[in-house]
Amino acid sequence: GAVVSQHPSWVICKSGTSVKIECRSLDFQATTMFWYRQFPKQSLMLMATSNEGSKATYEQGVEKDKFLINHASLTLSTLTVTSAHPEDSSFYICSSNRGREQYFGPGTRLTVT
Amino acid sequence: DQQVKQNSPSLSVQEGRISILNCDYTNSMFDYFLWYKKYPAEGPTFLISISSIKDKNEDGRFTVFLNKSAKHLSLHIVPSQPGDSAVYFCAASAGGGFNKFYFGSGTKLNVKP
Repeated sequence: GAVVSQHPSWVICKSGTSVKIECRSLDFQATTMFWYRQFPKQSLMLMATSNEGSKATYEQGVEKDKFLINHASLTLSTLTVTSAHPEDSSFYICSSNRGREQYFGPGTRLTVT
Repeated sequence: DQQVKQNSPSLSVQEGRISILNCDYTNSMFDYFLWYKKYPAEGPTFLISISSIKDKNEDGRFTVFLNKSAKHLSLHIVPSQPGDSAVYFCAASAGGGFNKFYFGSGTKLNVKP
């Protein structure tokens, strides 16, 4: 299957700082990538759809100024959590479509202290 | 409002028996459905898909059934193996699967040896 990578796999940061998470499609070009977050024992919640060369589309309730998404190339999308707070601590996962199937990255565990 | 629901948070099955995981959806525009398997701190892994033009799709030990009138799908695993123990998510999409997916809250399957 297709391969999607994420970096870093885990990060700890202090409250008020910003954190950037990278999502790469390794063996295919991804015009669209998706960003999810997952709280413990809860579902994957779609945050936004990242479109190469244009603005991301955010789901209702997701602050676009807090979760900045950039999709500058066909293989890379980045999610920046700005002015992070402890409540932003979560597991962030990206994915991309290859045909009809979505392939997921391994996820990034963010802990804000 | 959650458009995809998995009402059973957990399921325990004896090895060799059948595991049946259920999923309900509310959006009649959904026409493509996926099942994913997820281990802790990892991204989901694609298992099997089904289009709304079918009511059954089989792949080895995994079979997905779709009942469009009831807006219900289920995943059958036969025979269940201890390695199947994981969290299973169903996901649904409109637009033939080439669009964003909405996930259920997951069912944790435990297959006992």
